[in-house]
Amino acid sequence: GESVGLHLPTLSVQEGDNSIINCAYSNSASDYFIWYKQESGKGPQFIIDIRSNMDKRQGQRVTVLLNKTVKHLSLQIAATQPGDSAVYFCAENIGTNAGKSTFGDGTTLTVKP
Amino acid sequence: DVKVTQSSRYLVKRTGEKVFLECVQDMDHENMFWYRQDPGLGLRLIYFSYDVKMKEKGDIPEGYSVSREKKERFSLILESASTNQTSMYLCASTTEGQGFSGYTFGSGTRLTVV
Repeated sequence: GESVGLHLPTLSVQEGDNSIINCAYSNSASDYFIWYKQESGKGPQFIIDIRSNMDKRQGQRVTVLLNKTVKHLSLQIAATQPGDSAVYFCAENIGTNAGKSTFGDGTTLTVKP
Repeated sequence: DVKVTQSSRYLVKRTGEKVFLECVQDMDHENMFWYRQDPGLGLRLIYFSYDVKMKEKGDIPEGYSVSREKKERFSLILESASTNQTSMYLCASTTEGQGFSGYTFGSGTRLTVV
């Protein structure tokens, strides 16, 4: 069977390495997904989103992968930098209903210099 | 450039006090939300509002109320603060319909009830 990444509450990487943060979502009807970054002492900020008609979307140094078969999202950060240290969490939503997103538990990324 | 403003970054209140947390957004968003964030529990929705004078309960509304008298302002009220309401409170806003592209969050208010 296909292997998917486990969600880890913490992740520590060396500066310059690539980071992969995983998220399992719960609702098979969800069709819009967002990754947020929350730095210490700040509110969460939008990083990248993806709709269910796509399986990959790239931004600047970040890539989101969506596997609808196993209800799994991943966020890949290329050439991780100290400024990437933060809590990252995914959110799932159904359509354009802005009523309530469901947020994942979050992964704390620490980048070692 | 700040779009969602929470009036206080840190608050310390006594048990039994009535506490007001204020949130203002300048993006003309229809929807506003109050979440609390606790270690190991993630973000939990307290209340949200789709329009002025309109409110709906989220997942954990007990002990809280809200007020939305103007489109840009959404207040969270702790009627009688208790120590288990010590938490980080996050306000967020979004647009509605086809324009929805995630939440804009405030910087949070860290409330300590002693």
